[in-house]
Amino acid sequence: ILNVEQSPQSLHVQEGDSTNFTCSFPSSNFYALHWYRWETAKSPEALFVMTLNGDEKKKGRISATLNTKEGYSYLYIKGSQPEDSATYLCARGGNDYKLSFGAGTTVTVRA
Amino acid sequence: SQTIHQWPATLVQPVGSPLSLECTVEGTSNPNLYWYRQAAGRGLQLLFYSVGIGQISSEVPQNLSASRPQDRQFILSSKKLLLSDSGFYLCAWSRTAVEVGDTQYFGPGTRLTVL
Repeated sequence: ILNVEQSPQSLHVQEGDSTNFTCSFPSSNFYALHWYRWETAKSPEALFVMTLNGDEKKKGRISATLNTKEGYSYLYIKGSQPEDSATYLCARGGNDYKLSFGAGTTVTVRA
Repeated sequence: SQTIHQWPATLVQPVGSPLSLECTVEGTSNPNLYWYRQAAGRGLQLLFYSVGIGQISSEVPQNLSASRPQDRQFILSSKKLLLSDSGFYLCAWSRTAVEVGDTQYFGPGTRLTVL
């Protein structure tokens, strides 16, 4: 994998259901994996930063896992609510000051 | 606490006109500063980053330039806008390299439409 890739591009989930989506990234020279939530008309908001293989982070109903050996991270939303509707971006940090972003997964929660 | 400001929020400019977008950060010293662009249907593309006053690194050859005249001020400019410069421009900051790959904090963005 040469670039950061996210799938699916978009998804719709019924309120109360759980969902998850994927971020794939180059595993060489890896330092950190970031997840951001970007709501319409707002700035991207940092959710998690993970650095170690096997890391798991949790914030309320949202959690994320990291596999640095195979180069992927999952983000999970449990019991989706309308306020979870947003674009979720992942970004890979290498051995410099830069982050490489994926194109995002846009989540729409239907009431 | 730290805050980051961008202006203007929206801008409509004719092709060939100049551009100046400004970003300022409050509540921190010597931040790393970044300019990103999101074109329609695409992810965030890093345009420039700066680790100090007068130090600018360009990521993508293009019609734009950046300057950092003061520690917490970052300016994105163009002498002549192209249609392809349309997009959503985000400024971000991170702490001076305490750790590589540190969290970046984003401003509210500028929606630029070139007609």
